[in-house]
Amino acid sequence: GDSVTQMEGPVTLSEEAFLTINCTYTATGYPSLFWYVQYPGEGLQLLLKATKADDKGSNKGFEATYRKETTSFHLEKGSVQVSDSAVYFCALSDKQGAQKLVFGQGTRLTINP
Amino acid sequence: GAVVSQHPSRVICKSGTSVKIECRSLDFQATTMFWYRQFPKKSLMLMATSNEGSKATYEQGVEKDKFLINHASLTLSTLTVTSAHPEDSSFYICSARDGNIANYGYTFGSGTRLTVV
Repeated sequence: GDSVTQMEGPVTLSEEAFLTINCTYTATGYPSLFWYVQYPGEGLQLLLKATKADDKGSNKGFEATYRKETTSFHLEKGSVQVSDSAVYFCALSDKQGAQKLVFGQGTRLTINP
Repeated sequence: GAVVSQHPSRVICKSGTSVKIECRSLDFQATTMFWYRQFPKKSLMLMATSNEGSKATYEQGVEKDKFLINHASLTLSTLTVTSAHPEDSSFYICSARDGNIANYGYTFGSGTRLTVV
């Protein structure tokens, strides 16, 4: 079945550092890809998405590009802030059927001032 | 934008009792809602897909008699944890398809932290 694999955390960076969180997927079709963020004590919020190959999703300085050839959707940010500390989930959704979301295991990010 | 309200946000119950969690779509109709469970430092695991007016579809390994799901209207789905035990303690989150195809919208509730003592 479909699956998502993220780089293991936790990840700890200093403020203004460059961030990359790797995400690769396995899917039988051509899924839509998402990054969700979960702040402490809260539910998930959609951070960005891409629905087809070579699409770039972006929001709040974060970017991810849908790479079909490498089945990847790595999350990047050029300069992180303390407020970016959260858990980040990569996810996919098949465009057919029930369109369920399949999540990666999540990566906890801590940014130190 | 689409809003999903989940209630309660936190609940503590005694072992053996039942707990009901509500998930409401506030400004749209949701024919399909999803229930997830999150173990500490782990990913979200899909428990079941809830369809308005029909029986829920449970993922493999999820006890349907223990986790009762009802989706009686287009704006409300409920998850009842029956005869709760400490191992049911977890973070439960619902989500709903908001029908905005262009947005591929999945809107999440803020989650319910269940503690069974």
